[in-house]
Amino acid sequence: ETGVTQTPRHLVMGMTNKKSLKCEQHLGHNAMYWYKQSAKKPLELMFVYNFKEQTENNSVPSRFSPECPNSSHLFLHLHTLQPEDSALYLCASSPSGGYQETQYFGPGTRLLVL
Amino acid sequence: EDKVVQSPLSLVVHEGDTVTLNCSYEVTNFRSLLWYKQEKKAPTFLFMLTSSGIEKKSGRLSSILDKKELSSILNITATQTGDSAIYLCAVVGGTSYGKLTFGQGTILTVHP
Repeated sequence: ETGVTQTPRHLVMGMTNKKSLKCEQHLGHNAMYWYKQSAKKPLELMFVYNFKEQTENNSVPSRFSPECPNSSHLFLHLHTLQPEDSALYLCASSPSGGYQETQYFGPGTRLLVL
Repeated sequence: EDKVVQSPLSLVVHEGDTVTLNCSYEVTNFRSLLWYKQEKKAPTFLFMLTSSGIEKKSGRLSSILDKKELSSILNITATQTGDSAIYLCAVVGGTSYGKLTFGQGTILTVHP
């Protein structure tokens, strides 16, 4: 499989549930990103990992917890979410997080919080 | 705070028309501007424009960066129904490596 993959593609969870989103990139990149895309709002960067180290946390609530065990995998652990957290969560990767690199996106996980 | 504004927010045209999408930005230490096309889920990369590469072209799509006006346009000529998508503009600036700031997107609908 090539590119950036994400699982699951769709997720429905209650506010008391704990779930995890998974992202895997097969591009040999060293930087990975989580974005949130809500209806009628711009894509919003959440976290950046560079060589497995978190280099950016864009003031994301602690109910979202990222994990990057290696350069190919990125997780987003979810717990006690709110209905307003319902959105499309996109993962992306780039070679090394540089200024003039293209980020390649996965297909996203559509999350609905009830 | 970095800011990207796209216009129009939505556009409806017929096949064969030419469209111009706009993107303006306010960013500290501009590094690059990227255009993406988002059809169903994953945004797919179209162009990257930088100070050393202010004009790009690929088939019917072309893009120009105007650093003086802090803006960029994306042109699509001879539109096809397959061009229907959300077109996203994003900029990289400041000191945060890899931090893309996106605009709201332009929803393009091409009717047969």
